[in-house]
Amino acid sequence: DTGVSQDPRHKITKRGQNVTFRCDPISEHNRLYWYRQTLGQGPEFLTYFQNEAQLEKSRLLSDRFSAERPKGSFSTLEIQRTEQGDSAMYLCASSSPGLTYEQYFGPGTRLTVT
Amino acid sequence: GQQLNQSPQSMFIQEGEDVSMNCTSSSIFNTWLWYKQEPGEGPVLLIALYKAGELTSNGRLTAQFGITRKDSFLNISASIPSDVGIYFCAGRKETSGSRLTFGEGTQLTVNP
Repeated sequence: DTGVSQDPRHKITKRGQNVTFRCDPISEHNRLYWYRQTLGQGPEFLTYFQNEAQLEKSRLLSDRFSAERPKGSFSTLEIQRTEQGDSAMYLCASSSPGLTYEQYFGPGTRLTVT
Repeated sequence: GQQLNQSPQSMFIQEGEDVSMNCTSSSIFNTWLWYKQEPGEGPVLLIALYKAGELTSNGRLTAQFGITRKDSFLNISASIPSDVGIYFCAGRKETSGSRLTFGEGTQLTVNP
């Protein structure tokens, strides 16, 4: 089992640009989560999928954010018209059908908006 | 915003010492988890707790699910330098589906 992987690990972009991140969950994990973490804080929930269905979205997920999991495997998180306040670590996690609440995290994508 | 209060915010200890940290909330949680995060990496799951009063160990780590369901505790015995990192508690409410709420973390420094 290779664990949750995320790509890219680091992204620097200029304000106003669009960015897209990818997450590959642990194989056979049917639930996939996105969290955002700013410096000195714990992760904050953004959204989660069960298979390809997006079941819950946080108020943190503004209209500029969209997440997809089209085939129930990998997921993408897109941020449109990035703002400096979007600078954060974006973490992906996955969990298995039997142990739904044990979420295993990837290494994260560090986004810096200049 | 964060609903879990972790204390202490930071700890500086000598190798070999035992460590205790806790997490409290005004809300009831049905699941408690403890994670460790190192710089530039994602959190790593250490222990998961599912029942009030439950005491679970993972090597030198022991965690407890508080009887009131509003708190949890993590103990590390005989600390070693590689225990350095930020320890986060996370809780799940029955009404919040699968989303986890995280505390702000306890930064642990171990001096050799």
